[in-house]
Amino acid sequence: SQQGEEDPQALSIQEGENATMNCSYKTSINNLQWYRQNSGRGLVHLILIRSNEREKHSGRLRVTLDTSKKSSSLLITASRAADTASYFCATLASGGSYIPTFGRGTSLIVHP
Amino acid sequence: KAGVTQTPRYLIKTRGQQVTLSCSPISGHRSVSWYQQTPGQGLQFLFEYFSETQRNKGNFPGRFSGRQFSNSRSEMNVSTLELGDSALYLCASSTVPSGANVLTFGAGSRLTVL
Repeated sequence: SQQGEEDPQALSIQEGENATMNCSYKTSINNLQWYRQNSGRGLVHLILIRSNEREKHSGRLRVTLDTSKKSSSLLITASRAADTASYFCATLASGGSYIPTFGRGTSLIVHP
Repeated sequence: KAGVTQTPRYLIKTRGQQVTLSCSPISGHRSVSWYQQTPGQGLQFLFEYFSETQRNKGNFPGRFSGRQFSNSRSEMNVSTLELGDSALYLCASSTVPSGANVLTFGAGSRLTVL
């Protein structure tokens, strides 16, 4: 079964708007990662946030983590058409496993 | 630095046949993981190899197998193909697997089973 579940499944916005995607998970984690996948291609790692961190930034990306609610959010500010892709959260469970478990992803379309 | 290379990129097989997919990891990366991606199930973990040993295995039938060579290159094999095996098969590599296991993915091998 999937560990992380993204919400919404699909998101459509205009260029310049902000895009927010959420990820919920079920068990305690060591860290949480976000990946991007352009249509039919491999995934690209965007950002990693550790369980003892609450917020992290990378360029136009902002990730938050709330371990009490077992949730994370990815905010993309000032979206561009090139941000059109699917976004996945991946969790690494605490307790020794180092295999990331992926959610089903959020499909983001940014209209020019 | 070359990325993760997967071959072939596209292939079409018929039910009952077998297929072998290849993955060359980033130089210096010793851990190779395989994932199956389908629209209905998302990314499902198949198995992970490190130093030629299968260290982790997902919940797939025995028709799915893999191996890793001494140069870290990996292959996966699916025997007796079924229609449901149609998917994008993704290979990912990482340095030394640890709690902060960041994966670098290849472009994938798109398998269609007719």
